[in-house]
Amino acid sequence: TQLLEQSPQFLSIQEGENLTVYCNSSSVFSSLQWYRQEPGEGPVLLVTVVTGGEVKKLKRLTFQFGDARKDSSLHITAAQPGDTGLYLCAGAGGTSYGKLTFGQGTILTVHP
Amino acid sequence: ETGVTQTPRHLVMGMTNKKSLKCEQHLGHNAMYWYKQSAKKPLELMFVYNFKEQTENNSVPSRFSPECPNSSHLFLHLHTLQPEDSALYLCASSQDRTGWNTEAFFGQGTRLTVV
Repeated sequence: TQLLEQSPQFLSIQEGENLTVYCNSSSVFSSLQWYRQEPGEGPVLLVTVVTGGEVKKLKRLTFQFGDARKDSSLHITAAQPGDTGLYLCAGAGGTSYGKLTFGQGTILTVHP
Repeated sequence: ETGVTQTPRHLVMGMTNKKSLKCEQHLGHNAMYWYKQSAKKPLELMFVYNFKEQTENNSVPSRFSPECPNSSHLFLHLHTLQPEDSALYLCASSQDRTGWNTEAFFGQGTRLTVV
């Protein structure tokens, strides 16, 4: 069984601060996806990283896929209250062909 | 309409009731999924349908019964549920489940409370 460990589970910061969320596994994935979920809504796909060492930027969000394709990180620069939500990483492929393995999520709260 | 739509958004049911959750996708995808999201637990995959055929049942109790009449519609029939089944039930779709890089598009979920 493939597992994805996300850390931290909870993050409470002030507006303007930077933060990093980590997603780690002992398994290799073909790709890794990051989702953001707001209360009462379903997860929304933010990005997919496919190549080991790949870095993708989405405005103030930077996503990185580890060289060995076992881990990923999400870095947010100058966080804003609108960034508040649950961030989920999900691994695709590996031994779970055609399925997504989700981490337990990081609840981010950005205070004005 | 676009995306994945789930109805109802909220459902309260007694343990002896029978109800159904509905999911519809307008993305032209061929794979559809049911997930359960409980507090403090990772998303749990329940069922997978690929081209209308059920390809995965993750040891889900028989009180949950899925139905996929076509590639655009997915139902989850509920009967004699337990209070611990209360959760957010999410439907998702993807192009198909044959690829190595499955990207899922989720509905808004149905918040189910069993009393």
